[in-house]
Amino acid sequence: AQKITQTQPGMFVQEKEAVTLDCTYDTSDPSYGLFWYKQPSSGEMIFLIYQGSYDQQNATEGRYSLNFQKARKSANLVISASQLGDSAMYFCAMRSTGNQFYFGTGTSLTVIP
Amino acid sequence: NAGVTQTPKFQVLKTGQSMTLQCAQDMNHEYMSWYRQDPGMGLRLIHYSVGAGITDQGEVPNGYNVSRSTTEDFPLRLLSAAPSQTSVYFCASRYPGTGDGYTFGSGTRLTVV
Repeated sequence: AQKITQTQPGMFVQEKEAVTLDCTYDTSDPSYGLFWYKQPSSGEMIFLIYQGSYDQQNATEGRYSLNFQKARKSANLVISASQLGDSAMYFCAMRSTGNQFYFGTGTSLTVIP
Repeated sequence: NAGVTQTPKFQVLKTGQSMTLQCAQDMNHEYMSWYRQDPGMGLRLIHYSVGAGITDQGEVPNGYNVSRSTTEDFPLRLLSAAPSQTSVYFCASRYPGTGDGYTFGSGTRLTVV
């Protein structure tokens, strides 16, 4: 069964605008973690942000925030004030109780000047 | 610190050849994993290790072997290369903490002809 679903293959955003990248997950584990990674065209995977299933507040890291809605099983990434350097593939991932990571298929974000 | 070092960065193999992708980390991470990335399929787990001497299969283990004789090294062996193994391979490592995400290597682009 698919654990992580990213339904937006590609997204466009105007520079300086905010954008939301969707992620839904499926797990019956009471304890899990949600992560977002960025993959620029150079190919490396860069960790952006983490949300624990028991965290009461949404995680934030600079211009990145994670909109965590536990009941809906969603963990959307919000990028504020988009920059040209934000153009990349973005992957949502989940760590299960068994400590395995499951990745979504990714969303390609293009920032338009 | 070098982080996670993967070699080679690029490789072309003929069908039936064998080879080893090298991975080394200098962060004393207990957990290490190998993923393959294919277009439209995200990252899929091949094999993983939770410590020296311990390995286990992931989602797509067929055609690959691993070993973990030291904490630092986690090589991936292709036993008899097939065109279906053409992919980008990532090695990653992390601490076992719940909030710890993976640190990824820079990837190996493998083509099997």
